Amino acid sequence: DAGVIQSPRHEVTEMGQEVTLRCKPISGHDYLFWYRQTMMRGLELLIYFNNNVPIDDSGMPEDRFSAKMPNASFSTLKIQPSEPRDSAVYFCASSLGGTSGRSDTQYFGPGTRLTVL
Amino acid sequence: AQKVTQAQTEISVVEKEDVTLDCVYETRDTTYYLFWYKQPPSGELVFLIRRNSFDEQNEISGRYSWNFQKSTSSFNFTITASQVVDSAVYFCALSEAVNRDDKIIFGKGTRLHILP
Repeated sequence: DAGVIQSPRHEVTEMGQEVTLRCKPISGHDYLFWYRQTMMRGLELLIYFNNNVPIDDSGMPEDRFSAKMPNASFSTLKIQPSEPRDSAVYFCASSLGGTSGRSDTQYFGPGTRLTVL
Repeated sequence: AQKVTQAQTEISVVEKEDVTLDCVYETRDTTYYLFWYKQPPSGELVFLIRRNSFDEQNEISGRYSWNFQKSTSSFNFTITASQVVDSAVYFCALSEAVNRDDKIIFGKGTRLHILP
């Protein structure tokens, strides 16, 4: 079975440019999570969706960040305009819903390493 | 509020030694879940184990074992006869099953170096 798929795996861009990160969750999973990992702050939850609906975006750093989930098999995280401090590894994860729902295991994608020059 | 503490920032052991990674958690809920994830140098986050708060039995999987003790709010991870391939950052995490926000809270991680 395919795991969580993220693209691109690496992205290098210049300050001010728009960056779009993509994620395909595991088929059948109802929850999708976006995380950011840096040395300074560790692993931070940015936003998560349940059945394509954003539930909590309190972790999104600022208005430059936006996320969408137009359907059950695709989500994007967009940064516009990008800044050097956005450089990090961005992970997407998905989990099952259902009766055990909320605390079900999250499976992570390989991550996108973003460098903003 | 929920919190996960991994007091050991970095550990180095020689191959074949046993090593224990500590995890202490805080929660007000009686129903919760605990997790361990591994992040090898390649960068991906790999799920290792999930344990619910009603199951205090220790778990063993090959060279890996987990000791869950509610009395001390700890969920420690032991690697027996460590190998170089065990070198990674290990994260402990907590989720409150009846919480409003469906989140998993991760500890800061313990970086484990297995020296040949």
